[in-house]
Amino acid sequence: ETGVTQTPRHLVMGMTNKKSLKCEQHLGHNAMYWYKQSAKKPLELMFVYNFKEQTENNSVPSRFSPECPNSSHLFLHLHTLQPEDSALYLCASSQEATGTYNEQFFGPGTRLTVL
Amino acid sequence: AQSVAQPEDQVNVAEGNPLTVKCTYSVSGNPYLFWYVQYPNRGLQFLLKYITGDNLVKGSYGFEAEFNKSQTSFHLKKPSALVSDSALYFCAVRDLGSGNTPLVFGKGTRLSVIA
Repeated sequence: ETGVTQTPRHLVMGMTNKKSLKCEQHLGHNAMYWYKQSAKKPLELMFVYNFKEQTENNSVPSRFSPECPNSSHLFLHLHTLQPEDSALYLCASSQEATGTYNEQFFGPGTRLTVL
Repeated sequence: AQSVAQPEDQVNVAEGNPLTVKCTYSVSGNPYLFWYVQYPNRGLQFLLKYITGDNLVKGSYGFEAEFNKSQTSFHLKKPSALVSDSALYFCAVRDLGSGNTPLVFGKGTRLSVIA
């Protein structure tokens, strides 16, 4: 898991707080992803960045705001969240190229609790 | 749109016995198929993938999976289970027939290996 790191590992926030999740990949990949993992539900893809450009936004509420300043770093800015947003947020990266589909490497996740 | 189903929420097996974790998929074109494992408080780890070629794919930790096109299945198997194999297993599919589609995950199957 040293390939993809996430901070913080745990976060408790109130509904009026603003916080950010950070992800860093040390694998030289060109694509990064945010997923939401809730109990007994499939992994939900939230955002995809390819070459720092956002290519996927799966109808995620605007209270989640991604930022990808370079190909190694990915942020998820959070504000005015709801208790149902409590979940494990996973970051992943992969090397994407035309005609190939490579596996994604995941970070350990940030366990978010919204009070 | 592609989809993947893991029909079992929980699989229990005795240590030393063979194990199977089931996965079926639906795609419009040809599938890329993946298995991931998630240990407690960790991110997902890549186990193996099928892209093309031999229907039997070998992966990490002694796991293998068999691609069956007629049954649209990609079951994960291991000849002899270990207690340390106890974890949450995810099947995922990517549809080659629908352009640049994202990876779609199943809801996961919890494997419990009993000593």
